[in-house]
Amino acid sequence: AQKVTQAQTEISVVEKEDVTLDCVYETRDTTYYLFWYKQPPSGELVFLIRRNSFDEQNEISGRYSWNFQKSTSSFNFTITASQVVDSAVYFCALSEGGGSYIPTFGRGTSLIVHP
Amino acid sequence: EPEVTQTPSHQVTQMGQEVILRCVPISNHLYFYWYRQILGQKVEFLVSFYNNEISEKSEIFDDQFSVERPDGSNFTLKIRSTKLEDSAMYFCATTQEARTYEQYFGPGTRLTVT
Repeated sequence: AQKVTQAQTEISVVEKEDVTLDCVYETRDTTYYLFWYKQPPSGELVFLIRRNSFDEQNEISGRYSWNFQKSTSSFNFTITASQVVDSAVYFCALSEGGGSYIPTFGRGTSLIVHP
Repeated sequence: EPEVTQTPSHQVTQMGQEVILRCVPISNHLYFYWYRQILGQKVEFLVSFYNNEISEKSEIFDDQFSVERPDGSNFTLKIRSTKLEDSAMYFCATTQEARTYEQYFGPGTRLTVT
């Protein structure tokens, strides 16, 4: 069975600080995808990134970066120079290739960025 | 960019009433999903639907829930007799193909049962 753990329930930072959101996953499949979604206060789910299990290359998109490490089953998300608009709940999710492709979500990390 | 839409954005209903949540998928998408997120908790899969049939459902999706595509465009989730614990955000998602990671989520409907 697949499982996603986001141990950080809430993180509070001051604007311009860097912040890393942790995600640890469990799966028996060798083929799987990992995702990050942002959920702002308005409630919608905003897709941020998808990474497949065969691609461990880290990715950077503007102030966002992702560190995928299969050795530790982690897919961590870093926001550099955080801004107030980054305040949201961030969800990590996992889809297994050998299963139904239905994603399993973590419980989310609430990020609060203070001005 | 094509997007999934959901109506209403917020629905308030009394316990015991029936509600229908609507989703309009991206036009060439054939596979549809409903997810639920109770306030402050994680997003949970409810059901997937293809070719007018349920493909897969979770244990949350009990007899009070039903899905259909009544008119070839809308994809609906009906809750027959709402309970307080049905209060949640309900997300629709759609994909073009089966067994794909490329799910497109709608903006959600916030259901409040009083």
